[in-house]
This record gives sequence, C-alpha cells and structure tokens, in this order.
Amino acid sequence: GAVVSQHPSRVICKSGTSVKIECRSLDFQATTMFWYRQFPKQSLMLMATSNEGSKATYEQGVEKDKFLINHASLTLSTLTVTSAHPEDSSFYICSAEQGNQPQHFGDGTRLSIL
Amino acid sequence: QKEVEQNSGPLSVPEGAIASLNCTYSDRGSQSFFWYRQYSGKSPELIMFIYSNGDKEDGRFTAQLNKASQYVSLLIRDSQPSDSATYLCAVKNTGFQKLVFGTGTRLLVSP
Repeated sequence: GAVVSQHPSRVICKSGTSVKIECRSLDFQATTMFWYRQFPKQSLMLMATSNEGSKATYEQGVEKDKFLINHASLTLSTLTVTSAHPEDSSFYICSAEQGNQPQHFGDGTRLSIL
Repeated sequence: QKEVEQNSGPLSVPEGAIASLNCTYSDRGSQSFFWYRQYSGKSPELIMFIYSNGDKEDGRFTAQLNKASQYVSLLIRDSQPSDSATYLCAVKNTGFQKLVFGTGTRLLVSP
C-alpha cells in the first residue's frame, strides 16, 4: 500500500529555533501534499495544500512566513516552522495523494518548544 | 451548520458486536468519501473509501453511502478491543483538492 514517511517523529527545541519537517512518499509520486496540525483532543486542522513545483496554498489564519512549505519534487515536501515559540508546540502531520487516489498520512511529528 | 458532522461519542460496544459509525455532510457536490482511524497520539490511517451509492465491504468493514440523504456510515463487524480509536469521516468535492474532516467519533470496544 501507499507509504508516506515523515521525519523527524519528535522534536524538542528552544524557543526561537527553526525546525524543518520532511514528508516523503516512498512508493508513489505525490501530485499533492498536505500539512495538518492537531492540538491535543482536537480535530485535524489543515494548514496548507502543496502542489509540486508551485507555491503552497495556505488556509485562512495560517501565517505563510511562519510556516514555510517547499514541494520541490513529486516525492518530497518540507515544512519549516520558523522562529518557533511554545504556542507552536503541536502534532504536525503530512499527507500525500496521487491524482484522485485517497490521501495517505505520515506518522506525524510531535513538536515541543521549550 | 458544520460541513461534515459526526457524533463525538464515545460509542461503546461489547467485543464481538457490530459498531455503527455515522456521518452527514452538507456539500451536495461531494464525490469522494473516506473513513480514517486514529489511535490516540498517532496519525490517521485510511480504513475505507467509497465513491458510489451503496455498500462497499472490506473484511470486517463496510462503508455505506447514500448521496440523496447526504449520509455515509461505517460498520465494523465482530468488533475487537483493538478497534477502539477515533474514527474520522472525510469528504471531498472533486472541484477542490482538500478533504473536509468531521470531528471524529470515539469508539470503545469492551472485552
């Protein structure tokens, strides 16, 4: 089945640090990748939609300068949380899809900012 | 009105019973329907998807879709304690790329 790899699985760092999260589709070419954030006991919240080779489309209220998304190839997208602060601590999850196939999710990255 | 609605639960069923999870959606243009399972602290995992009216079966899981009633459901037969999780209903309009998720139904299967 479709496999999406996300790395790292957990990050703990100091306030002000920038953190990069990678999302790779291992056995298919992902025409579109998505980045979500989930706070404890809350629903998934879509942050942005990313198509290969073009700028990401951010959801309302998500700061594009804060959450930098790069989708340089059909198998890799990255999310960089710039100058992270404690309120950015959350569970970040990517997903990928090929054409009209279902989205498959990575294992998520638990980000803790001290 | 929320775009995709689910009862938050918890839905409690005994082991071996049928668990019935329901979802309604508001966008009549929705074409694709998905059920994801999410264990606590983990990311969602695709369980079923359905595009046409009727039933679709895969092992112990059956997805049911009724576009006229804007209703999609997931049946889990012979429920196991390992099925205890939050089940997310997601809907997609082919005119848009993103999935719209419900808030999820928490299922508890007791031994």
